[in-house]
Order: sequence, then structure tokens, then C-alpha cells
Amino acid sequence: DTEVTQTPKHLVMGMTNKKSLKCEQHMGHRAMYWYKQKAKKPPELMFVYSYEKLSINESVPSRFSPECPNSSLLNLHLHALQPEDSALYLCASSQGLAGVGSYEQYFGPGTRLTVT
Amino acid sequence: RKEVEQDPGPFNVPEGATVAFNCTYSNSASQSFFWYRQDCRKEPKLLMSVYSSGNEDGRFTAQLNRASQYISLLIRDSKLSDSATYLCAPRGGNNRLAFGKGNQVVVIP
Repeated sequence: DTEVTQTPKHLVMGMTNKKSLKCEQHMGHRAMYWYKQKAKKPPELMFVYSYEKLSINESVPSRFSPECPNSSLLNLHLHALQPEDSALYLCASSQGLAGVGSYEQYFGPGTRLTVT
Repeated sequence: RKEVEQDPGPFNVPEGATVAFNCTYSNSASQSFFWYRQDCRKEPKLLMSVYSSGNEDGRFTAQLNRASQYISLLIRDSKLSDSATYLCAPRGGNNRLAFGKGNQVVVIP
């Protein structure tokens, strides 16, 4: 069973709503990631946090706002989304960003988001 | 050339048979490679890491060919439960994973 948890499992929101996705990992990992996956497409990296600091932002629109309150938690705040933002949002974690053995990323079950 | 290329298939495999497929990558600097398995509407699950020329775990074998820049996955004695999409992911800088579109495997009874 995955040790990365995500809530909620499903979310339906309107274009004017503000909502947050939550991710928690219990493996003592220091790197955490947000990915977006559309149907029949591979996961696409959105953000990377390392030691609670934003390391990578893959030119994601500002309507997506990540937050890392501590090394175990990762949030994704959503505001004024568009219907094309509907997708599976996956959180992942790894021991770190560097060093053999640190690279493996483990995914949570995802939040299936529908924007109406 | 795309960063990672995989033939989406589907690869229809009789139960008990062997199936193999390749993943080609364009970043010659990639040193680490990962195979993930993804079931329909589920998250990717790490199947295998490859840091040198290859790796083997039970019925699954991965082989890396750095000269030709591809990595293969072979599944022996296919089980019905092996039906899934297999995603290849070379590691880039800052631990970026560049996922391919995946190889869909359907094991037929």
C-alpha cells in the first residue's frame, strides 16, 4: 500500500471556487512533487519541493499555488480554474533530489478534479 | 525527436507468454531510469529502477542500451494481473522524470 496519501479522492469545483488538494507522506522523504495527468496521457510535472523549498515550477499558471507547510505535507491551492484543468492530480515523494537511492518517486492515489 | 518515446500498443499477450517493449530517450545525460506500472484510473506504481546496464526482478527484466539510447522491459510468463500500462521514465536534472506515453499490455486468457 502507498505511504503517500491524498485528499480528497474526488473534487468537483466551479470556475469561481477556491479549493485545496492535500498530500501527506509518512516515509521521511525530503522531496515532494505535484503532477497533472490527463486521460490517456503521461503524468506531467508541475512543481518540485526539496526541503520545504520550491525547487521547480514548470511554468504552471498562477491559478495553481503550491505550499509545503512541513516536510511531510504538500498542498495545492486552486483558484479560478478552467474546465481544461480537469485531470488527475498526483502527488509523489522521494528521499531527495540527489544521490543514488534518493531518486525513486512514490505516488499517492491522486485527486480526480473536475472543473465545471 | 520527443524526449521519451514508447509504442502505446496495445500489446496483446497470451497468458504465459513473454512480451517485450522498448522505450527510447533523447537525453543522453540520463543516468537513471524507472519503469512504472499504471492501472486504469490509478496512480503509477514503481516497478523497477535501472542504474546500470539492467535489472531483474522475478519475471521482469529491464535492459539499458546507452549507445542506442533505449531501455527495454521484458515480462516472462505473463499473468492476467500484468495487464496495465507500463510507463518509462528517464531521470533528468533535479530529479525530473520525463514520462513516456506508456506501453499498454493486455494479457489474454
